Amino acid sequence: AQSVAQPEDQVNVAEGNPLTVKCTYSVSGNPYLFWYVQYPNRGLQFLLKYITGDNLVKGSYGFEAEFNKSQTSFHLKKPSALVSDSALYFCAVRDPRTGGFKTIFGAGTRLFVKA
Amino acid sequence: KAGVTQTPRYLIKTRGQQVTLSCSPISGHRSVSWYQQTPGQGLQFLFEYFSETQRNKGNFPGRFSGRQFSNSRSEMNVSTLELGDSALYLCASTPGGGSANYEQYFGPGTRLTVT
Repeated sequence: AQSVAQPEDQVNVAEGNPLTVKCTYSVSGNPYLFWYVQYPNRGLQFLLKYITGDNLVKGSYGFEAEFNKSQTSFHLKKPSALVSDSALYFCAVRDPRTGGFKTIFGAGTRLFVKA
Repeated sequence: KAGVTQTPRYLIKTRGQQVTLSCSPISGHRSVSWYQQTPGQGLQFLFEYFSETQRNKGNFPGRFSGRQFSNSRSEMNVSTLELGDSALYLCASTPGGGSANYEQYFGPGTRLTVT
């Protein structure tokens, strides 16, 4: 069965410091991987995705993520955090073999960036 | 282009009643997926519709159903509401068809409260 784990419920970072939000997945084959962000009282916004190719993918708002197949991980990173990055972050996985857009989401990690 | 719209935004229902939620995807998008978001369970996939056909289904009881119209608008229905159905229901659209590597575009959600 497909699953996504975000081991940290919350990550606290000081503004200007680098941040990492962790994600591991359990899907056989070559899954598609995504990161989304959710601000209060709003739907999810797409940040970035890994489909194939270069293991380091860059996305919106200066975020990037590194795909590591051997460790089945897809950690989200940003070199310098902003207070406005404070939000709920979701890692998600899709098995292209199932067809369609069924996507499994992790439980979410709340990021707090302190000024 | 207008984003994904969901109506109503807020809804209060009583146990045992039924409810219908509506989702209008981005113009030109043919795939619509529904998710249930709760604090305890996170984001869970309900079902996906493409070209008026259910293409994927999550692990929810038969009380949860959906449909898609020829203009790609989608509705989901929950019958015999239970307290545990209280949640934020999110709709997401994608262009659909062909490759499954598209990201999803989410609406703001419908907040359902069952009393």
